[in-house]
Amino acid sequence: DAGVTQSPTHLIKTRGQQVTLRCSPKSGHDTVSWYQQALGQGPQFIFQYYEEEERQRGNFPDRFSGHQFPNYSSELNVNALLLGDSALYLCASSAGTGTEAFFGQGTRLTVV
Amino acid sequence: QQQVKQSPQSLIVQKGGIPIINCAYENTAFDYFPWYQQFPGKGPALLIAIRPDVSEKKEGRFTISFNKSAKQFSLHIMDSQPGDSATYFCAASTNAGKSTFGDGTTLTVKP
Repeated sequence: DAGVTQSPTHLIKTRGQQVTLRCSPKSGHDTVSWYQQALGQGPQFIFQYYEEEERQRGNFPDRFSGHQFPNYSSELNVNALLLGDSALYLCASSAGTGTEAFFGQGTRLTVV
Repeated sequence: QQQVKQSPQSLIVQKGGIPIINCAYENTAFDYFPWYQQFPGKGPALLIAIRPDVSEKKEGRFTISFNKSAKQFSLHIMDSQPGDSATYFCAASTNAGKSTFGDGTTLTVKP
């Protein structure tokens, strides 16, 4: 079992650009959640996808959007990047509405 | 509004000591309380979790104590080892799965 896999591991973007991060959930999991973790802080919930729909959303602007595919993998898109978007972006997967979530290693995004 | 408050921010213990990390929550709708361990450059790894119908749960060297009336829960690490040095996060979630995390505790276990 490969667990939750995220790509890329590191990414450098310029302010104003757009970025797409990808996540493959753990085998048997159908729910994907995305979190932003700034340096020295706990992860902050961005949104959750289940059955290809956004089920819940945290306090993030519309510049943050996502998608879930029929194979349960997911993408996080961020438009009009700001310096403050620099963070570790984490994907977590779980089975249905189950709350036991497993995290990937994250994508380190740096906006310059 | 921070819904989960974690303390202390950092903790240093000697090998074999029992570090204790505390968390307090506000939202009584929370019904699942996991603890995560995170090493630098890695994602958080689930250590142990508890539901509010149980006051204590033990898995290996890790124990969660839960006080529903006080809306507090804590993590105890028995016989701590240098390899336990990491950042620990408490979290709270509802059945819908959205997790709210504390700000983390950096634990250092000295040999």
